[in-house]
Amino acid sequence: DSGVTQTPKHLITATGQRVTLRCSPRSGDLSVYWYQQSLDQGLQFLIQYYNGEERAKGNILERFSAQQFPDLHSELNLSSLELGDSALYFCASSVGHQNTGELFFGEGSRLTVL
Amino acid sequence: GDSVTQMEGPVTLSEEACLTINCTYTATGYPSLFWYVQYPGEGLQLLLKATKADDKGSNKGFEATYRKETTSFHLEKGSVQVSDSAVYFCALRASSASKIIFGSGTRLSIRP
Repeated sequence: DSGVTQTPKHLITATGQRVTLRCSPRSGDLSVYWYQQSLDQGLQFLIQYYNGEERAKGNILERFSAQQFPDLHSELNLSSLELGDSALYFCASSVGHQNTGELFFGEGSRLTVL
Repeated sequence: GDSVTQMEGPVTLSEEACLTINCTYTATGYPSLFWYVQYPGEGLQLLLKATKADDKGSNKGFEATYRKETTSFHLEKGSVQVSDSAVYFCALRASSASKIIFGSGTRLSIRP
């Protein structure tokens, strides 16, 4: 158990809909990272937050947004969903903003868009 | 930009065979290098890391050496077990960045 909690574990929705994925980082970790894992594109970095502030941005679509709340949990919002958004979305956390490289991953939220 | 390239899978080996999974990288400066492992149904977890040239990371019988001259960080194990079946990801963190960039992953299956 990494200490990172993601909900929901599975989500099935239709094209055009909007969903919110939630992540609670490990106790004491201030950074949260979101990654998308799909079969054809591997593990893609989406965005990082540190102590409530956006820290780094990757290949995140404009239809997607994220935030980190004062209690340090984070949410990833995906809107106007397309079939290609079907993937496993991972949240990871680390202590600092420029970490040593050890990220602690949750078990992921599997999104299926029909 | 920074990137990681690792050998495509799947790789299937018999128990007690030797394992090498190749990984090469492109990055400016002096990145830190990592191997992460993802067991079925779980999130990724750090297997080993190396932060400077010629460093060797090791854990659970796996090892990898940071080779700056060949920009490589190959994962090796002398005798694999069925329990090593998983997906292995090579990754880097550039010296000036906070995000970690992952390779595409290599699925390893070990036959009893």
